[in-house]
Amino acid sequence: EAEVAQSPRYKITEKSQAVAFWCDPISGHATLYWYRQILGQGPELLVQFQDESVVDDSQLPKDRFSAERLKGVDSTLKIQPAELGDSAMYLCASSPGTGDSNEQYFGPGTRLTVT
Amino acid sequence: GQNIDQPTEMTATEGAIVQINCTYQTSGFNGLFWYQQHAGEAPTFLSYNVLDGLEEKGRFSSFLSRSKGYSYLLLKELQMKDSASYLCAVMDSNYQLIWGAGTKLIIKP
Repeated sequence: EAEVAQSPRYKITEKSQAVAFWCDPISGHATLYWYRQILGQGPELLVQFQDESVVDDSQLPKDRFSAERLKGVDSTLKIQPAELGDSAMYLCASSPGTGDSNEQYFGPGTRLTVT
Repeated sequence: GQNIDQPTEMTATEGAIVQINCTYQTSGFNGLFWYQQHAGEAPTFLSYNVLDGLEEKGRFSSFLSRSKGYSYLLLKELQMKDSASYLCAVMDSNYQLIWGAGTKLIIKP
């Protein structure tokens, strides 16, 4: 069964350092999402791509976060510089993005700890 | 504003039945999802309701009333592995998922 791939699974970094996360969605899925989830809360959408275009990045802290999906397939989320408050689980999800296929499929996530 | 409400935590006994409620206020409605999330793992899809009524899938059922802005997830014959957080999410008029904070379900032997 096809899955969303993410790496790394765990990342520990010092504040002010740069960190990057990678996501490879299920083949053929046009829509890709990056979420941040703090323990005990629901996922918070950071950015949504439709193919290579950004559909929604209204909640992305653009002074330090950036995201790209250059060829409309895999995607990278970067934080520079990292802050203590960025410690969270970063989830990538994809969906076919058409018709009734609105279900989002999640990758295993990247657990970020900023020290 | 948009809001999803669900209980923070519930406790139930192995073999019993539990109902997790979710109420929502969103700008538009394009379906309601329930996801299961075990500690430290990613959410996994459980159910999708877009029309009123009950959808049954094995031990899990999900109900929707759009007029009341209300849904519930019903888990039967509870097993220890059902201990997890259950997330309610509504797709709004922009096809964005609005997430609840999740209900942590604790199953006791």
